[in-house]
Amino acid sequence: AQTVTQSQPEMSVQEAETVTLSCTYDTSESDYYLFWYKQPPSRQMILVIRQEAYKQQNATENRFSVNFQKAAKSFSLKISDSQLGDAAMYFCAYRFLSGNTPLVFGKGTRLSVIA
Amino acid sequence: GAGVSQSPSNKVTEKGKDVELRCDPISGHTALYWYRQSLGQGLEFLIYFQGNSAPDKSGLPSDRFSAERTGGSVSTLTIQRTQQEDSAVYLCASSLGLMNTEAFFGQGTRLTVV
Repeated sequence: AQTVTQSQPEMSVQEAETVTLSCTYDTSESDYYLFWYKQPPSRQMILVIRQEAYKQQNATENRFSVNFQKAAKSFSLKISDSQLGDAAMYFCAYRFLSGNTPLVFGKGTRLSVIA
Repeated sequence: GAGVSQSPSNKVTEKGKDVELRCDPISGHTALYWYRQSLGQGLEFLIYFQGNSAPDKSGLPSDRFSAERTGGSVSTLTIQRTQQEDSAVYLCASSLGLMNTEAFFGQGTRLTVV
């Protein structure tokens, strides 16, 4: 079974600084997707960034980038120039490539941004 | 609709009562997912629909939980004889269908069983 582990229940960062959130996963599959979702207090999950496992290049979306290490099964999220609006729960998620399989989530990291 | 809509937003119910949670997916999305988020926990997969059929019901925590989807659109998650441990946020998501990578989430229903 696939599992996703986020070892940091809480993190904090100063506004304008950079923070990295960790995620590891366990799978026997070679083709899959990885995601980072943000959940603000409104509860709605928002997709931040995604990575296809077959792509070696790390995904980047504006201030958000990932460090994808397939052999190590590691998928960390880096947030640069942190803003107050980045404060939220962040969830790492995995999805098998084939079919319409559901996302498997980690337990999340609560990020606080300090002004 | 413009996004995934869930109702009610919040629900308080007495232990032992039945509740129905509704999810209205994005128009045209054939896949629909239900997740449960308990306090301090990640998202626990409950069930998903492809069209009106649910290929995998193994995530439902007990036989008190059931879900249906009609017309390939609206889905209802029903919890019978609610227990306090059922208190959680129930999130619904939808996606275009097979092989589609992005799931869009609703704002969830916060269920409190007292």
